[in-house]
Amino acid sequence: DQQVKQNSPSLSVQEGRISILNCDYTNSMFDYFLWYKKYPAEGPTFLISISSIKDKNEDGRFTVFLNKSAKHLSLHIVPSQPGDSAVYFCAAVARQLTFGSGTQLTVLP
Amino acid sequence: NAGVTQTPKFQVLKTGQSMTLQCAQDMNHNSMYWYRQDPGMGLRLIYYSASEGTTDKGEVPNGYNVSRLNKREFSLRLESAAPSQTSVYFCASSTVPTGGRGNSGANVLTFGAGSRLTVL
Repeated sequence: DQQVKQNSPSLSVQEGRISILNCDYTNSMFDYFLWYKKYPAEGPTFLISISSIKDKNEDGRFTVFLNKSAKHLSLHIVPSQPGDSAVYFCAAVARQLTFGSGTQLTVLP
Repeated sequence: NAGVTQTPKFQVLKTGQSMTLQCAQDMNHNSMYWYRQDPGMGLRLIYYSASEGTTDKGEVPNGYNVSRLNKREFSLRLESAAPSQTSVYFCASSTVPTGGRGNSGANVLTFGAGSRLTVL
């Protein structure tokens, strides 16, 4: 039973447009949420996080939104760049870090 | 600044063979982790070590053993490899155990580049 779900395995967007990656969770005990980015043949790297007491966190082109009532978070990338093409994992923290299955983002030039 | 280093990067085993994946970090982190990544499954925690001298099971520990050799090194051993253990393995480290908040809030893991293991 996956507690963190990323229902879209892949997403393609045009360069300069907005990318929206979605994540749903089931465990009400999660109190921090993170996004990691992964390039081929590399390990995941931390991108941005949000506490459960907030509903938005912004860092440059990246913004994470949290809707606790819907148990849903999303990552917005604006504007999208070809270098953003990677697999994006959402993750949530209770006792341990639980990852979603990832979304492959492709930004087309 | 190497960060987290894993060896080997690639390995092919036959069913029943044993091997050890090595991991070392040079960031003076207290906690270390082993994850496996499988298609459609994301990263799943195998074992972790909250601090030197302690190890605990994660979500998928069966078929694996670990050793926290010292503060820097955390190894993962497959005693009798099975095809179901074909995967990409990632070692990670962090300043405090996941669930601890540290100074910056969310505890961030630093990952190695991965070890691709194929069991025939």
